Amino acid sequence: DAGVIQSPRHEVTEMGQEVTLRCKPISGHDYLFWYRQTMMRGLELLIYFNNNVPIDDSGMPEDRFSAKMPNASFSTLKIQPSEPRDSAVYFCASSLRVYEQYFGPGTRLTVT
Amino acid sequence: GENVEQHPSTLSVQEGDSAVIKCTYSDSASNYFPWYKQELGKRPQLIIDIRSNVGEKKDQRIAVTLNKTAKHFSLHITETQPEDSAVYFCAAPNMDSNYQLIWGAGTKLIIKP
Repeated sequence: DAGVIQSPRHEVTEMGQEVTLRCKPISGHDYLFWYRQTMMRGLELLIYFNNNVPIDDSGMPEDRFSAKMPNASFSTLKIQPSEPRDSAVYFCASSLRVYEQYFGPGTRLTVT
Repeated sequence: GENVEQHPSTLSVQEGDSAVIKCTYSDSASNYFPWYKQELGKRPQLIIDIRSNVGEKKDQRIAVTLNKTAKHFSLHITETQPEDSAVYFCAAPNMDSNYQLIWGAGTKLIIKP
């Protein structure tokens, strides 16, 4: 198995632009998580899905952030409009049971 | 809800010595306690986990112990090597909120040659 796949690996964009991060979970996993990691705030859970349905989005910082999971093999996290404070590493993780999460390589986002 | 505290934030040990990282949790109903290792610039990776029906689990040089009465669990690394240098995270499930993991703040482990 290729593991969790994320794209792009690096994204540099200007403030105000739309950013879309993509994730392909491990085949057969029924949970998908989006995390944000910064030095100041550590690892933060933004949202997670179970069987493609959003279960908890209380970690999404504001309305500029949205996430979708149209099918079992694909999810997106969108930021529109982006701001410099959104600069972080965004991880996607998946699990077969809710506990044992496997992380993707992450997307390093820089908003200038 | 669950609250997880992790100590120390930074730990420096001599190569070959042992390292111990401790986490405390608040919800006595929590039943699963994983440890993740994140090397610089890499993803967090699950290295060991323990469920509440056992008190200790070992995997070569790493072990995790659980004290349910005191509500704390610890990661033990023996005979530390340079490749053990990383940030280590503990976590525990939020039993009130669909069991999502609540993460500790992380411990930066430095192995001195």
